Amino acid sequence: AQSVSQHNHHVILSEAASLELGCNYSYGGTVNLFWYVQYPGQHLQLLLKYFSGDPLVKGIKGFEAEFIKSKFSFNLRKPSVQWSDTAEYFCAVRDDKLIFGTGTRLQVFP
Amino acid sequence: EAQVTQNPRYLITVTGKKLTVTCSQNMNHEYMSWYRQDPGLGLRQIYYSMNVEVTDKGDVPEGYKVSRKEKRNFPLILESPSPNQTSLYFCASSRLPRNEQFFGPGTRLTVL
Repeated sequence: AQSVSQHNHHVILSEAASLELGCNYSYGGTVNLFWYVQYPGQHLQLLLKYFSGDPLVKGIKGFEAEFIKSKFSFNLRKPSVQWSDTAEYFCAVRDDKLIFGTGTRLQVFP
Repeated sequence: EAQVTQNPRYLITVTGKKLTVTCSQNMNHEYMSWYRQDPGLGLRQIYYSMNVEVTDKGDVPEGYKVSRKEKRNFPLILESPSPNQTSLYFCASSRLPRNEQFFGPGTRLTVL
């Protein structure tokens, strides 16, 4: 069965630092890939998604992710984080159903 | 406003007392789903529904029931709650299974 790995469980950064969160899924075929964000006390919101086409996907709030098929990866990036990016980030893969990673907690300090 | 609503948002109950968490969406979505979120485990799917009267088990269905009598509603039923069902529950919907899912605000359940 498909699975998703997020290698970074807890990331602490200062404002303006660059961010990269790893996401790997277990096998290929046609998959849809998502990054969701959960701000403290809130529900999940979609940051970006990849279905097909350009493997570099731009999302909201300056986030982007790159789909690398050969590495089964879909890493999330942001060049310069802000305090307001403090949240938990979930990678998800849709095979026959949506499968979430365990999440990465990001803390950004001013 | 397009949204998924859940009620209640917070619930404290005791072992064995049946409860229902309601979920409703106003986007005419076919696909609806329930997840539980636990620290270190991410979100795990409990049940999902492809359309009215069509439901299926997710990864962690034990101890839960669902029904889909109307397109907009997808209640989660715990017939006999146990402490290991203490969790944060999210309902979600999408037009198709492969589309972006819209999440409700969550229901924090504590079973004593």
